[in-house]
Amino acid sequence: KQEVTQIPAALSVPEGENLVLNCSFTDSAIYNLQWFRQDPGKGLTSLLLIQSSQREQTSGRLNASLDKSSGRSTLYIAASQPGDSATYLCAVPGNTPLVFGKGTRLSVIA
Amino acid sequence: NAGVTQTPKFQVLKTGQSMTLQCAQDMNHEYMSWYRQDPGMGLRLIHYSVGAGITDQGEVPNGYNVSRSTTEDFPLRLLSAAPSQTSVYFCASSPPTGTGGELFFGEGSRLTVL
Repeated sequence: KQEVTQIPAALSVPEGENLVLNCSFTDSAIYNLQWFRQDPGKGLTSLLLIQSSQREQTSGRLNASLDKSSGRSTLYIAASQPGDSATYLCAVPGNTPLVFGKGTRLSVIA
Repeated sequence: NAGVTQTPKFQVLKTGQSMTLQCAQDMNHEYMSWYRQDPGMGLRLIHYSVGAGITDQGEVPNGYNVSRSTTEDFPLRLLSAAPSQTSVYFCASSPPTGTGGELFFGEGSRLTVL
């Protein structure tokens, strides 16, 4: 059974800092890995989708990496801004549609 | 392009009442799924469908019913609402996972059962 763990559960950083969010999964036989953002009271917005053949994917200040052999992915956020404050979730396919981690709640302090 | 549309956004029910949460997508996605999100529990899969006429249970299916008569629609039915079903419900759709499909979510439906 696929299990996804995200560390840390919460993170508070000053504005401008570069930061890394971690995601680990137990079954490395995955097609892809997806990172989402969720603002309070809102739905989930897809940030990055990394296919199993890729090692990383970039969008603006976001860079996600994937290491299937070790069962790990990282989301790197450069030059963080208060608008980046949200919960970030990673998800991978399991035997059913995506299995989610519980997320990292990020607060960027101005 | 509307994406994934859920209705209603908010609903209050009394214990024992039934209701249907509607979900529609206009991206011609084969996969559709329903999740519930509770504090400290994360997102948990209720039911999913890999195509019209095909549904299967997820992690927490009890008390819920689904059907998939068309590619576009995937309603979630609460048969006899219980306070434990108070939650935020999300519908999602994607192309088949095997093709590396990206998952898209609706805005959510907040349900309170008194």
